[in-house]
Amino acid sequence: DIQMTQSPSTLSASVGDRVTITCRASQSISSWLAWYQQKPGKAPKLLIYKASSLESGVPSRFSGSGSGTEFTLTISSLQPDDFATYYCQQYNSLWTFGQGTKVEIK
Amino acid sequence: QITLKESGPTLVKPTQTLTLTCTFSGFSLSTSGVNVGWIRQPPGKALEWLALIYWDDDKRYSPSLKSRLTITKDTSKNQVVLTMINVDPVDTATYYCAHRPTSGHTFDYWGQGTLVTVSS
Repeated sequence: DIQMTQSPSTLSASVGDRVTITCRASQSISSWLAWYQQKPGKAPKLLIYKASSLESGVPSRFSGSGSGTEFTLTISSLQPDDFATYYCQQYNSLWTFGQGTKVEIK
Repeated sequence: QITLKESGPTLVKPTQTLTLTCTFSGFSLSTSGVNVGWIRQPPGKALEWLALIYWDDDKRYSPSLKSRLTITKDTSKNQVVLTMINVDPVDTATYYCAHRPTSGHTFDYWGQGTLVTVSS
């Protein structure tokens, strides 16, 4: 099984900050990596797929990078609507999610 | 417009069988490449993928839950059914179904989720 490890688990930031979340895979997953945003009581929302492709309708302040085993999600300028929990997911071999990163208000 | 909605019991007793139905619209599971998956999330915890069914009726299961899960589809009704046998309180979670457009993509549309509590 492929394990996904996110860091940090919690991130405190202010509106306008540049935010970076890291996701590491236990083995190479090429670029088969997605990022989701989830708000309390809501279903996850797909932000990024294939490591760096922006899903339609997602603001351009979100970007993804990486390949192999190390990936990052960057929010270039944090907006009030971005305070949420973010999950990475590999889909190279079945599907595995990271444990989540909560982005909270500083 | 793609939509999915989960339905099923809100409360199940330990050792019983849980049956959840995903009813969808806006796509067909007979279209080449289309998949539907199930994912769950215990309260306050991370997402966990459970099962997936392909347009051609191929199936994949989480290795840790494979012996307890069955996924089926009814293309004529636009439904996917997940069955979990021998439930336990640790299976208490919100269960989501989700659409996957092709094998080179991942889950893009999700249902709202349904909370299932396992308790005597």
